[in-house]
Amino acid sequence: KQEVTQIPAALSVPEGENLVLNCSFTDSAIYNLQWFRQDPGKGLTSLLLIQSSQREQTSGRLNASLDKSSGRSTLYIAASQPGDSATYLCAVMPSETSGSRLTFGEGTQLTVNP
Amino acid sequence: NAGVTQTPKFQVLKTGQSMTLQCAQDMNHNSMYWYRQDPGMGLRLIYYSASEGTTDKGEVPNGYNVSRLNKREFSLRLESAAPSQTSVYFCASSAWGTGGGEQYFGPGTRLTVT
Repeated sequence: KQEVTQIPAALSVPEGENLVLNCSFTDSAIYNLQWFRQDPGKGLTSLLLIQSSQREQTSGRLNASLDKSSGRSTLYIAASQPGDSATYLCAVMPSETSGSRLTFGEGTQLTVNP
Repeated sequence: NAGVTQTPKFQVLKTGQSMTLQCAQDMNHNSMYWYRQDPGMGLRLIYYSASEGTTDKGEVPNGYNVSRLNKREFSLRLESAAPSQTSVYFCASSAWGTGGGEQYFGPGTRLTVT
């Protein structure tokens, strides 16, 4: 059974700092990996999707990398801002052909202090 | 585009009552999903529909039923609500097979069963 772990569970940084969030998964046979952001009391917003054949994806100040063989992904946030404060979730999709079900980690709660 | 919409946003039920959570998407996605989110448990898949006319159980299907009404709509029914079903419920959709499997989430329904 696929298990997804995110470390740390919580992180507090001063504004402007570059930071890395970690995600690890136990079964390397994945189709893709997706990073989400969740604000308190809100739904999930998709940030980046990395296909299994890709090594990284970038969007603005965000860069996500994927190392399938070691079962790891990182989300790099450059020049953090207070508006980045949220919970960040990673999720992996199995390499099955139907359904595209996701297995989620429990998230990293990020606080960026002004 | 509204994306994924869910109704209602909040609901309080008494034990034994029934209700249906509604979900609709306007992105022409073929796959739709229902998740529940609980503190310390993360997001867990209840049911999913890989395509119109098909539904399958996820990780925690007991106590729930689903209907894929058409390509746009996917409903979740609680036949006899129990306090253990107190949770936040999220609907999601994806263009599985054509869009790389990226999932888009609705804003959630916060359900309390007393």
